[in-house]
Amino acid sequence: GESVGLHLPTLSVQEGDNSIINCAYSNSASDYFIWYKQESGKGPQFIIDIRSNMDKRQGQRVTVLLNKTVKHLSLQIAATQPGDSAVYFCAETSLLRGGADGLTFGKGTHLIIQP
Amino acid sequence: EAGVAQSPRYKIIEKRQSVAFWCNPISGHATLYWYQQILGQGPKLLIQFQNNGVVDDSQLPKDRFSAERLKGVDSTLKIQPAKLEDSAVYLCASSLGNRGYTFGSGTRLTVV
Repeated sequence: GESVGLHLPTLSVQEGDNSIINCAYSNSASDYFIWYKQESGKGPQFIIDIRSNMDKRQGQRVTVLLNKTVKHLSLQIAATQPGDSAVYFCAETSLLRGGADGLTFGKGTHLIIQP
Repeated sequence: EAGVAQSPRYKIIEKRQSVAFWCNPISGHATLYWYQQILGQGPKLLIQFQNNGVVDDSQLPKDRFSAERLKGVDSTLKIQPAKLEDSAVYLCASSLGNRGYTFGSGTRLTVV
């Protein structure tokens, strides 16, 4: 089965509101996590990443929070815009071997922005 | 910087036929990955190359799937013979160590 992904198929928010997308992982050995955005017909696009030695990381309008105690990851998108509509995936991997192993993805959350 | 290039974008084949996909990673990226994404699911790793050597192919159905990365640059993924359940998007990604994990747009395969 999937080792990553608290599956919430669809999240609908009003334009301008903040969005929070959640993800649970089960592999304690994972030490690197990435959030991806995937629009229809395109490959996953990197949004933000975080390593296990951090609890929080901020980017432009996005924040990722990592709670290692409960193996939980969240993506916060501030002031959502129509262009934020997409499917969002969390992914995990391990950097222990000095490089990037393959990613394990969750099932994704479809974010819908209501006008 | 140019992204990860994949071709073709779409392919429709009959079951039991063979098909091949091509990927050109970002220049200088030593690590190349092939993923399978079934509709409504997240991508699943099929195989990982480091230069032209296989690092992980534990999830590759080796009875019908094969992949190679000659000269440590371009890669091809082949399916022979194809089954209906192989219908999916096949994504190629590349990375430079633990940085720059980038995906291509994928090849959408439909097996009829």
